Amino acid sequence: NAGVTQTPKFRVLKTGQSMTLLCAQDMNHEYMYWYRQDPGMGLRLIHYSVGEGTTAKGEVPDGYNVSRLKKQNFLLGLESAAPSQTSVYFCASSYSYVLDSKHQETQYFGPGTRLLVL
Amino acid sequence: GENVEQHPSTLSVQEGDSAVIKCTYSDSASNYFPWYKQELGKRPQLIIDIRSNVGEKKDQRIAVTLNKTAKHFSLHITETQPEDSAVYFCAASIRSGAGSYQLTFGKGTKLSVIP
Repeated sequence: NAGVTQTPKFRVLKTGQSMTLLCAQDMNHEYMYWYRQDPGMGLRLIHYSVGEGTTAKGEVPDGYNVSRLKKQNFLLGLESAAPSQTSVYFCASSYSYVLDSKHQETQYFGPGTRLLVL
Repeated sequence: GENVEQHPSTLSVQEGDSAVIKCTYSDSASNYFPWYKQELGKRPQLIIDIRSNVGEKKDQRIAVTLNKTAKHFSLHITETQPEDSAVYFCAASIRSGAGSYQLTFGKGTKLSVIP
């Protein structure tokens, strides 16, 4: 059980290049999320998915696209990379369950992808 | 949308002392408040969370309090140890109609525990 994994761990891009970040989870979670983390900014939600075939915009979606063709994978795409997209990208997954009549949910994070756009 | 403010941004304490980190949120509909710990170069990891129907929750040396009227919540770490040194993030969220929680994070507090 690997949990949440991310590929690649580190990447350098030139401005205008494209790339796809892969997030995979083996916990059969329904919900998946992409965040970016910048110094002094905390984590900000880019896009998320509540199930296979569905995606939705988060707080900072511009310049990114996502796809969830399979339940276990959530892809984040940069069509034309910009220096402002230099960041650490974290994927997370979660599922909802009921405990003591209350809905519970915990987000589990992947190890992160460090992206540098020159 | 939700806005979460976190203070202080840095905090240094002597080993064995207590540490307190405070957060405020703007959306009164928020009902879930997790705290994450992130060590240098590592992923954020959930350390404790609290829901809106509870005022306080404890887990060994860690406790979280919630004041819904004032819209603020706090993390308390007692008997701090060097391994508590990390960046701590608070978050607030509302459960969406589709079932997932959308988290809005504070900007983090870098805690240093001095031996």
